[in-house]
Amino acid sequence: EAQVTQNPRYLITVTGKKLTVTCSQNMNHEYMSWYRQDPGLGLRQIYYSMNVEVTDKGDVPEGYKVSRKEKRNFPLILESPSPNQTSLYFCASSLVWNSPLHFGNGTRLTVT
Amino acid sequence: AQTVTQSQPEMSVQEAETVTLSCTYDTSESDYYLFWYKQPPSRQMILVIRQEAYKQQNATENRFSVNFQKAAKSFSLKISDSQLGDAAMYFCAYRGASGGATNKLIFGTGTLLAVQP
Repeated sequence: EAQVTQNPRYLITVTGKKLTVTCSQNMNHEYMSWYRQDPGLGLRQIYYSMNVEVTDKGDVPEGYKVSRKEKRNFPLILESPSPNQTSLYFCASSLVWNSPLHFGNGTRLTVT
Repeated sequence: AQTVTQSQPEMSVQEAETVTLSCTYDTSESDYYLFWYKQPPSRQMILVIRQEAYKQQNATENRFSVNFQKAAKSFSLKISDSQLGDAAMYFCAYRGASGGATNKLIFGTGTLLAVQP
């Protein structure tokens, strides 16, 4: 089944403890991106990747890192999480940059 | 910068009735795409309907249709014969299509739709 898989689905952590949210797609998509969803703000793009080893900042990149070493994987790294990064995170991918986006099922992150 | 505005935080509709969700956007681009996404309690982001700005004809998908007014920069979603399964958060989104654009979607703040039996 073609899908974007995010893990974990729920994560509770403490301030400053490094974490990684994984994202994997099995559709051979070139384009991948991360969004965060906050009440009253909708979804905002954090980072995106046009292809392997090509990443760039979105609208809210502060406090996040990404890497794209393989086509299928695009992990989101929080080196030192803070409570303002408590949010619902979505990974999305598309065949190329202007194809329809496929979303993962989201990761609910709570930082205390 | 492009913006998307959904002015109705919450809406309610009776089952089998019709409801219209509003969306306006601001852009200086001439070529772009507009989308409506549905987010049920499961948190999935489900694409409901897509409209290319260069197409004058309004997109339709079964019970879902849009009223796209390019000059007014308006993109409303009409849900006909509402069903209990339509209850969800609905997001309007914009994506540029001109050279140099990425696949970044710009989302509105969402409209929470309740369907009353």
